[in-house]
Amino acid sequence: AQKVTQAQTEISVVEKEDVTLDCVYETRDTTYYLFWYKQPPSGELVFLIRRNSFDEQNEISGRYSWNFQKSTSSFNFTITASQVVDSAVYFCALSARGSARQLTFGSGTQLTVLP
Amino acid sequence: SQTIHQWPATLVQPVGSPLSLECTVEGTSNPNLYWYRQAAGRGLQLLFYSVGIGQISSEVPQNLSASRPQDRQFILSSKKLLLSDSGFYLCAWSSRQGSNQPQHFGDGTRLSIL
Repeated sequence: AQKVTQAQTEISVVEKEDVTLDCVYETRDTTYYLFWYKQPPSGELVFLIRRNSFDEQNEISGRYSWNFQKSTSSFNFTITASQVVDSAVYFCALSARGSARQLTFGSGTQLTVLP
Repeated sequence: SQTIHQWPATLVQPVGSPLSLECTVEGTSNPNLYWYRQAAGRGLQLLFYSVGIGQISSEVPQNLSASRPQDRQFILSSKKLLLSDSGFYLCAWSSRQGSNQPQHFGDGTRLSIL
């Protein structure tokens, strides 16, 4: 069975602060994939990043960075110098080998960036 | 490029009425297709997925059904809606090429049952 835990239900920061969203996962599969999605108030889910279980290199994309640590089964997401437009619900998700490549989502973290 | 369309964007239906939500994908062939529901608490629940025409897998028992009459068309239906069917419904697709392909979501349908 797979499980994704996002312990932070809601986070509020002031603009320009850095913020880290936590994600912890559980799977018995040795090959799996981790994802982050952003859901702005308009509702659509926007794909942000994919990471393979055999690639532990951290990744940076502009103000976004991701820290993947297999030893702690975590895939945390950091936004540097947050902006009001970053306000959204962020979902972490896990996919292991199997039919249809189903995603197991965490419950999401509501990030509010205050001006 | 690939696009996914869902309609309608919002829908208000009385209890006991039928439902039909439609989702189509353009720019790709043989996609995996998915229907999710997101209740007020934000969590995403996978309802159905399909790996091909006429092939539907159901994740949870409910009064909803799904059909895939064409390769890039996925329909969510109900004969009689319940109050508990209210929520935000999202359709998604993913490529079958490799296990690491992300799912791409439509804009969603907000369904309110009165």
